[in-house]
Amino acid sequence: LAKTTQPISMDSYEGQEVNITCSHNNIATNDYITWYQQFPSQGPRFIIQGYKTKVTNEVASLFIPADRKSSTLSLPRVSLSDTAVYYCLVGVASGGYQKVTFGTGTKLQVIP
Amino acid sequence: DVKVTQSSRYLVKRTGEKVFLECVQDMDHENMFWYRQDPGLGLRLIYFSYDVKMKEKGDIPEGYSVSREKKERFSLILESASTNQTSMYLCASSTGAGVSNQPQHFGDGTRLSIL
Repeated sequence: LAKTTQPISMDSYEGQEVNITCSHNNIATNDYITWYQQFPSQGPRFIIQGYKTKVTNEVASLFIPADRKSSTLSLPRVSLSDTAVYYCLVGVASGGYQKVTFGTGTKLQVIP
Repeated sequence: DVKVTQSSRYLVKRTGEKVFLECVQDMDHENMFWYRQDPGLGLRLIYFSYDVKMKEKGDIPEGYSVSREKKERFSLILESASTNQTSMYLCASSTGAGVSNQPQHFGDGTRLSIL
C-alpha cells in the first residue's frame, strides 16, 4: 500500500505563511482530502476539507491540483498557538472496499 | 458540538489479558473508527464500521477485533494483550456515506500500557 507522505517537520516565524504538502498518489477517485491539527495529549481536530481546486475557510486554505495526487495546506500568518502536528487524511480503495489513511504527519514549530 | 467519549484516558493491563476499549459518540454518526498512534508511525487505522454490526479491517487489524451492537458505541477488543500493543488508541466518528467524505471527530485517546 503506497504511503501518504508529508515532510517530517517545519519551522516558521510568527506572522509568516506556512505551506505543508501531502503526497497521496493512491487517492480514491471520489474521495475527499481532509487536514487535521493535533496538540499533545489530544485527538486530531478538523481544519479543512476539499475535493479539487481551492478551498478556503476562516483558518486555512487547501490547494489541490487537477491530478489530485497531492494537496497543500496553507496557514496564513501563523502564531505560536499553531505549533502542532498536522496530518492529511485521504480515502483509498483497498481490496474492493474503501478505507482511509493518514499521512505521516508534519510537526510545525512556530518561533517567536 | 459532536462529542466522542473514550471510556478511559489511561489503562494498564497485563500480557495475555482480554482488553476492552469503549467509545461512544452522541451525534448519530454512521461511521466509527479505531486508530492507534505510535511515535514515528503516525495514526494507523485498525478497524472501522459504517453501520451497526458492520465492520471492515484497516491497515493493522491483527490482534484486534471490534464490536458495534449499537450505533453510538464502537468497542475495540484486544483478544490477548501483548506488549507490542502498548500505544495511544484513538476513536473517531463521522457522518454520511463514504468514509472519507465528511470530517472525523476524535476522542482524546486512551493511553494503554501492557505490562
